[in-house]
Amino acid sequence: EAQVTQNPRYLITVTGKKLTVTCSQNMNHEYMSWYRQDPGLGLRQIYYSMNVEVTDKGDVPEGYKVSRKEKRNFPLILESPSPNQTSLYFCASSIFQGETQYFGPGTRLLVL
Amino acid sequence: GEDVEQSLFLSVREGDSSVINCTYTDSSSTYLYWYKQEPGAGLQLLTYIFSNMDMKQDQRLTVLLNKKDKHLSLRIADTQTGDSAIYFCAESRYNTDKLIFGTGTRLQVFP
Repeated sequence: EAQVTQNPRYLITVTGKKLTVTCSQNMNHEYMSWYRQDPGLGLRQIYYSMNVEVTDKGDVPEGYKVSRKEKRNFPLILESPSPNQTSLYFCASSIFQGETQYFGPGTRLLVL
Repeated sequence: GEDVEQSLFLSVREGDSSVINCTYTDSSSTYLYWYKQEPGAGLQLLTYIFSNMDMKQDQRLTVLLNKKDKHLSLRIADTQTGDSAIYFCAESRYNTDKLIFGTGTRLQVFP
């Protein structure tokens, strides 16, 4: 089954404790992206990647890192999480940039 | 600006039609999308329309695009309780990597 998976689905952590949210797609898509969803703000793009080893900042990249060592995986790293990063995070992929994006199920993060 | 705007709430009776509206500001939009988000779930692509089209129909869904007014709408015919969700419109622009989302419209369907 073609899908985008994220882990974990739910995470509670404390300020400053590094965490990684994984994202994986099995559709051989070149383009992958991370979004955060906050009430009243819709979805905002954090980082995106057009291909392996190619990443770039989206609209709200501060406090986040990503890597794209393999085509299928695009982990989101929070080196020192803060409470304002409490949010719902979505990973998405598409075959190429500008094409239809397919979303993972979301990761709900709470930073205390 | 990069705003994509939607009204926050819509309430309809089961069996009626729902119309969810979206306005955008950038005339260079290439594709416009509608996504559905059910409670506790991710985003599901419902349909999309290329910017040189006026209308697209897919079963109960009809997308209308008015490029002059930069207005996009999603009509759901014979709305069911299973259609209750948040609906996001989004646009992508020529030769960019970004997908710009609206704030979402919460559709509530009552019996």
